[in-house]
Amino acid sequence: DTAVSQTPKYLVTQMGNDKSIKCEQNLGHDTMYWYKQDSKKFLKIMFSYNNKELIINETVPNRFSPKSPDKAHLNLHINSLELGDSAVYFCASSQDPGRGETQYFGPGTRLLVL
Amino acid sequence: QKEVEQDPGPLSVPEGAIVSLNCTYSNSAFQYFMWYRQYSRKGPELLMYTYSSGNKEDGRFTAQVDKSSKYISLFIRDSQPSDSATYLCAMTNSGNTPLVFGKGTRLSVIA
Repeated sequence: DTAVSQTPKYLVTQMGNDKSIKCEQNLGHDTMYWYKQDSKKFLKIMFSYNNKELIINETVPNRFSPKSPDKAHLNLHINSLELGDSAVYFCASSQDPGRGETQYFGPGTRLLVL
Repeated sequence: QKEVEQDPGPLSVPEGAIVSLNCTYSNSAFQYFMWYRQYSRKGPELLMYTYSSGNKEDGRFTAQVDKSSKYISLFIRDSQPSDSATYLCAMTNSGNTPLVFGKGTRLSVIA
């Protein structure tokens, strides 16, 4: 009974391709996030959705587009992939970020752009 | 100056040692402080959560927050090889502000 799951776990693709990463949480949380962790392990927020609405959109190229079909899912679509997009992408969820509630992370999707 | 500073290590200690991990931060509005543990090829998992200043203990782990110095610490007593991981500090103020993470400290506990 995985709390936050992501697919795929690994993604190897060519520059210029379009790809999607899916995330699902079964914790009943209202808020979901996408983070990027670079090769130096630095974890940085990309997007945050609360109840299917975008609430945080950090400085991320508009080639990255999140989509939340319902509050249990937050997918990340990436257009025209570039070498610098290679990283580990983590999805997370929390119940009430307003009170600094704990975020639960998925296992990560390792993206390698060749 | 980065918002959250954390020494990336690596830190290598013998089994049974007391480990001290630290972060400093610049934003005095931060109120919620967390430590996450990340094993290799896994997602971060919450280890400790503290609101405002003070200490919190959970088994072999103690988290300390000193807001006046903008300094947080995580102590691990009787360290075990299974504690070998990267430890990330994270913090936020209230509202829908995102967590700000340190770069993580890689810890190895040698048997």
